[in-house]
Amino acid sequence: DIQMTQSPSSLSASVGDRVTITCRASQDISNYLAWFQQKPGKAPKSLIYAASSLQSGVPSKFSGSGSGTDFTLTISSLQPEDFATYYCQQYSSYPRTFGQGTKVEIK
Amino acid sequence: EVQVVESGGGLVKPGGSLRLSCAASGFTFSSYSMSWVRQAPGKGLEWVSSISSRSDYIYYADSVKGRFTISRDNAKNSLYLQMNSLRAEDTAVYYCARAKVDSSGYSNFDYWGQGSLVTVSS
Repeated sequence: DIQMTQSPSSLSASVGDRVTITCRASQDISNYLAWFQQKPGKAPKSLIYAASSLQSGVPSKFSGSGSGTDFTLTISSLQPEDFATYYCQQYSSYPRTFGQGTKVEIK
Repeated sequence: EVQVVESGGGLVKPGGSLRLSCAASGFTFSSYSMSWVRQAPGKGLEWVSSISSRSDYIYYADSVKGRFTISRDNAKNSLYLQMNSLRAEDTAVYYCARAKVDSSGYSNFDYWGQGSLVTVSS
């Protein structure tokens, strides 16, 4: 199985900050990497697929990069609605696997 | 508008069975692969099972293989998860997710339902 490791597990940031979350795969997954945002009590929301493509309707303050084993999610200017938990997920092979999540909290 | 709505969750005793349903609307259900993903209380996301558009490819997580069965009825725009021999560790919110095929030919989850809570407890 492909292990997905996110860092950090949590971070505190202020409104307006630029935030970067890292995801590492245990083996090469090309660009078959997605990012999701989840707020408490809500379903996950798809943000990015194919490592860097924005899902329809997702604001451009979110961006993704990487290929192979190392990936990043960047939020260019953090807003109050962006405080949530973010997950990466590989869809290169089965079983599909998720990172453990990164909780973005208000400083 | 794309919608997927789960139902069928509830409280069940260890060793019991439950069937989850997911009703889809707003898209051509028969053209999409579908999946179940679960989340135990306070924990992260765990993929459970996936089924191709015509049910010719089915995959399961090792943790549920032999106990859970995924199926679909394209005529009814519905996805199902039959869960047998339930254990306490199956307690979770179960999400139904649509899988969109991107330009690479691989599918990623683009729409998720609101989830259905399954609690396994005596």
